[in-house]
Amino acid sequence: NAGVTQTPKFQVLKTGQSMTLQCAQDMNHEYMSWYRQDPGMGLRLIHYSVGAGITDQGEVPNGYNVSRSTTEDFPLRLLSAAPSQTSVYFCASSYRDRYGYTFGSGTRLTVV
Amino acid sequence: SQQGEEDPQALSIQEGENATMNCSYKTSINNLQWYRQNSGRGLVHLILIRSNEREKHSGRLRVTLDTSKKSSSLLITASRAADTASYFCATDIPVWRGAQKLVFGQGTRLTINP
Repeated sequence: NAGVTQTPKFQVLKTGQSMTLQCAQDMNHEYMSWYRQDPGMGLRLIHYSVGAGITDQGEVPNGYNVSRSTTEDFPLRLLSAAPSQTSVYFCASSYRDRYGYTFGSGTRLTVV
Repeated sequence: SQQGEEDPQALSIQEGENATMNCSYKTSINNLQWYRQNSGRGLVHLILIRSNEREKHSGRLRVTLDTSKKSSSLLITASRAADTASYFCATDIPVWRGAQKLVFGQGTRLTINP
């Protein structure tokens, strides 16, 4: 039982490049979310999903796309990386609203 | 601005003392959750309190919820050095039928001094 797996753990991008942050869970959780964490800002919700095929925007969705084709996977795509997207990204999942979320270990992204 | 506001932003106490952190929020919630984050690590779920509950305990943790004041508190009793971490409250907000999203506050940095 691996929980929530995020890859890669570290990434450096040049401004304008695109990439996909991967998130996979093996707990059959319906809910999955992406957050970014910046110093002093706590965690801000980027996008979330309540099931396969169902996604919605969070607090800071601009510059990011998501899709949820399977229950297990919830990739986050950066369309054209900007220095303002330098952050630590966390993926999290939960079974239902009666349960807490399980977090991945994070992806540290630097955009130069 | 973010849904949750936490107070204080930083707290430093002696080992063995109790630590209290507060969280206020703005909208209706399904539940409120508390998480711990050790430096450079992912978040760990501590406790969940539903909107129709007023108090919940888990080991040395005690959480209260006052929905009329839109506030919650987390009490850690008999603190230990290992409790040094950042603590976040998060509110589970209904957005549309069958869906909710989890929104975090900015956190409280707790330091336990030996």
